[in-house]
Amino acid sequence: DTAVSQTPKYLVTQMGNDKSIKCEQNLGHDTMYWYKQDSKKFLKIMFSYNNKELIINETVPNRFSPKSPDKAHLNLHINSLELGDSAVYFCASSQEEENTEAFFGQGTRLTVV
Amino acid sequence: QQQVKQSPQSLIVQKGGISIINCAYENTAFDYFPWYQQFPGKGPALLIAIRPDVSEKKEGRFTISFNKSAKQFSLHIMDSQPGDSATYFCAASGFVGSNYKLTFGKGTLLTVNP
Repeated sequence: DTAVSQTPKYLVTQMGNDKSIKCEQNLGHDTMYWYKQDSKKFLKIMFSYNNKELIINETVPNRFSPKSPDKAHLNLHINSLELGDSAVYFCASSQEEENTEAFFGQGTRLTVV
Repeated sequence: QQQVKQSPQSLIVQKGGISIINCAYENTAFDYFPWYQQFPGKGPALLIAIRPDVSEKKEGRFTISFNKSAKQFSLHIMDSQPGDSATYFCAASGFVGSNYKLTFGKGTLLTVNP
């Protein structure tokens, strides 16, 4: 059983399009995250949700909008995609916000052409 | 401002050798220090973690050394194996401003030659 699953694994799209990435965790965790990994492998947090409530919203363009329909799901919608949005996006979850292991999904490689 | 500084950026070690990756942090509010291992095409996975009340933690071939006064911690991989070849991230979590965050270093690409 996959603990944190995200779809799709690969996403190629044209500039200006709108796309969504879905994430689901079956670990019963309270906290979910979206991270962005750039071409240099740098991992940076974008958003954090705790029990469907937005906790962290880093300086991310408002073209990026997370949606948490329930505790087990955190989707990421991106409007008006730009070339610079090309990256690998990771969903993750943890039992609590503090001091606990974060479990990552396999990532979604987004390529904007 | 980079909260967690990691070095080296890349590391090549012979099979059986010791791999050492170093990290330094600035925020004294950090209270949990995990190391993550990432293979190509996969998400990062927790390898080993330490809390600041201990100076060393060992799990198999992997050891974290922690120096609270120097605000530094390091990962030692003993008897390195080709299967250890991956990108390693140190991280630190604690309050940054008003939010509790997990902050990653920039990663070290480890290559273990057979």
